[in-house]
Amino acid sequence: AQSVAQPEDQVNVAEGNPLTVKCTYSVSGNPYLFWYVQYPNRGLQFLLKYITGDNLVKGSYGFEAEFNKSQTSFHLKKPSALVSDSALYFCAVRDYGGATNKLIFGTGTLLAVQP
Amino acid sequence: SAVISQKPSRDICQRGTSLTIQCQVDSQVTMMFWYRQQPGQSLTLIATANQGSEATYESGFVIDKFPISRPNLTFSTLTVSNMSPEDSSIYLCSVGFAGGPNEQFFGPGTRLTVL
Repeated sequence: AQSVAQPEDQVNVAEGNPLTVKCTYSVSGNPYLFWYVQYPNRGLQFLLKYITGDNLVKGSYGFEAEFNKSQTSFHLKKPSALVSDSALYFCAVRDYGGATNKLIFGTGTLLAVQP
Repeated sequence: SAVISQKPSRDICQRGTSLTIQCQVDSQVTMMFWYRQQPGQSLTLIATANQGSEATYESGFVIDKFPISRPNLTFSTLTVSNMSPEDSSIYLCSVGFAGGPNEQFFGPGTRLTVL
């Protein structure tokens, strides 16, 4: 079965510093990976995805993610954090075993950016 | 992309009653999904809403508890039946497009509290 793991419940970073939110995956075939962000009292917003091609994927709001096949990781990064980036971040993988486009979500990582 | 609205945005209900949540999309979509996000937890897929046929439920979710309708390609409803406090969650609708491992787009969610 496909799965993703987010090992950190919370990440704290100072404004202006680089940030990394970690995600590792387990899939039986080619991985289709996604990052979403959830602001308080809001739905999920799509940030970026990896399907194939370049290992460094660029997305919304200055975020990027690096796909590493040997380490089965898909970490989310941003060179300079903003206070407004503070939110809950979810990594997800597409599941081949069930409905088309079914997503399996990680447990989420709360990002707190201090001014 | 797609713009998705949900009604109601929040509700407080008494145990034993039922609530129907509506999901409206601004364009025709192939796939619609219903997720549950329990307090402080990740998203869990309840079912895939199939247009013109019965929904496909995930393990642990049954039609009698969560009946779903999808009368057309832009609208779906999820009913939470015979509610108990354990049903207190955020319920999210999402949509996806055919033609590849595309991302899903999420509605703002319905925050349900059962007393």
